[in-house]
Amino acid sequence: NAGVMQNPRHLVRRRGQEARLRCSPMKGHSHVYWYRQLPEEGLKFMVYLQKENIIDESGMPKERFSAEFPKEGPSILRIQQVVRGDSAAYFCASSPWGQGATRAEAFFGQGTRLTVV
Amino acid sequence: DAKTTQPPSMDCAEGRAANLPCNHSTISGNEYVYWYRQIHSQGPQYIIHGLKNNETNEMASLIITEDRKSSTLILPHATLRDTAVYYCIVSPSQEYGNKLVFGAGTILRVKS
Repeated sequence: NAGVMQNPRHLVRRRGQEARLRCSPMKGHSHVYWYRQLPEEGLKFMVYLQKENIIDESGMPKERFSAEFPKEGPSILRIQQVVRGDSAAYFCASSPWGQGATRAEAFFGQGTRLTVV
Repeated sequence: DAKTTQPPSMDCAEGRAANLPCNHSTISGNEYVYWYRQIHSQGPQYIIHGLKNNETNEMASLIITEDRKSSTLILPHATLRDTAVYYCIVSPSQEYGNKLVFGAGTILRVKS
């Protein structure tokens, strides 16, 4: 059973371009979470999605950032008009357990390192 | 904000037990204690979790005090590969799923 797959592992974008980060959860997992880790800082929750639904986007910046988890295919984190401050590691996690579950372990991917030049 | 307090760093000799403390004095009855680690900027790795009973798995043991205000993660025989940042997280999992609030964690350095 493959783990959480994120691609690309490294992404370089010029200021003003769009960045698209992909996350394929583990087989059988229908809950996806995105976290951001700025240089020398801790991980911060961004968004929690289930198939075709955004459950909690309280950690998402109000502008330029969006996320989706379609019925088919990977979850996508999209950053429009990137700025240098968006440079960070973006981690995706998946879980088979969601709200109401008594277990909540999350399985993380290896991350996408975004560099904005 | 994180609801836990951990020492910023600890050292441990290879082959010895590593005991990582965590204070969570404001923990409420439905909150679990989770431990994750992050090795050199890789994705965080789940280690163990518990509610009020002590727990053990193939990676570690978790000791939770009777009043649940603190806990200790024990790596019984630390190796160099256990060098990482260890995060103690309290999470009302039944309500929030996996919306984890990471603090600064403890940098564990295992030395030969």
